[in-house]
Amino acid sequence: DAGITQSPRHKVTETGTPVTLRCHQTENHRYMYWYRQDPGHGLRLIHYSYGVKDTDKGEVSDGYSVSRSKTEDFLLTLESATSSQTSVYFCAISAGPLNEQFFGPGTRLTVL
Amino acid sequence: TQLLEQSPQFLSIQEGENLTVYCNSSSVFSSLQWYRQEPGEGPVLLVTVVTGGEVKKLKRLTFQFGDARKDSSLHITAAQPGDTGLYLCAGVSNSGYALNFGKGTSLLVTP
Repeated sequence: DAGITQSPRHKVTETGTPVTLRCHQTENHRYMYWYRQDPGHGLRLIHYSYGVKDTDKGEVSDGYSVSRSKTEDFLLTLESATSSQTSVYFCAISAGPLNEQFFGPGTRLTVL
Repeated sequence: TQLLEQSPQFLSIQEGENLTVYCNSSSVFSSLQWYRQEPGEGPVLLVTVVTGGEVKKLKRLTFQFGDARKDSSLHITAAQPGDTGLYLCAGVSNSGYALNFGKGTSLLVTP
């Protein structure tokens, strides 16, 4: 157990509203990641962080922003949610010499 | 982007059967990882293979890394219903910070 929690676990929102998802870790890992998982697409990287206030874009970053003001928290924000952002979102940390990743339980987001 | 292709996409077998799933790429990876994901949960790391030709065993699961480090396979012997899940392979991207995931093989083992 890598001590990763995500909140909320489920959320239903309407198109155009802002949404923030939170990832919290308890073990002081430097690298944190946000992925989305969709049928037919697998896991795709949205953004990642390599330290406090150090973030970079992943494969599908359009429409998403992130912030990391503390080592333990990595926030993912949808500024104006769209139906195409309906997905399951996973947070992960990297905890091994070969970038082995450990995932949180996921957040199921539905945008109506 | 270094693409990883997994096959088959879906596999439905009966308890006791053997199976192999594949993870292929045209790119060389320094290492490959295998994860299993159960419904409603996040992926869980099973193994990392690093050396070309390497074979690792985890109980009834056997993982092999291709000699050229472009492909990997997962063989399950005498599958059990508890093996049901989505099996994902992943390789470290060129940036060194992120993983590229295959789309997964969804395995269903029925009693």
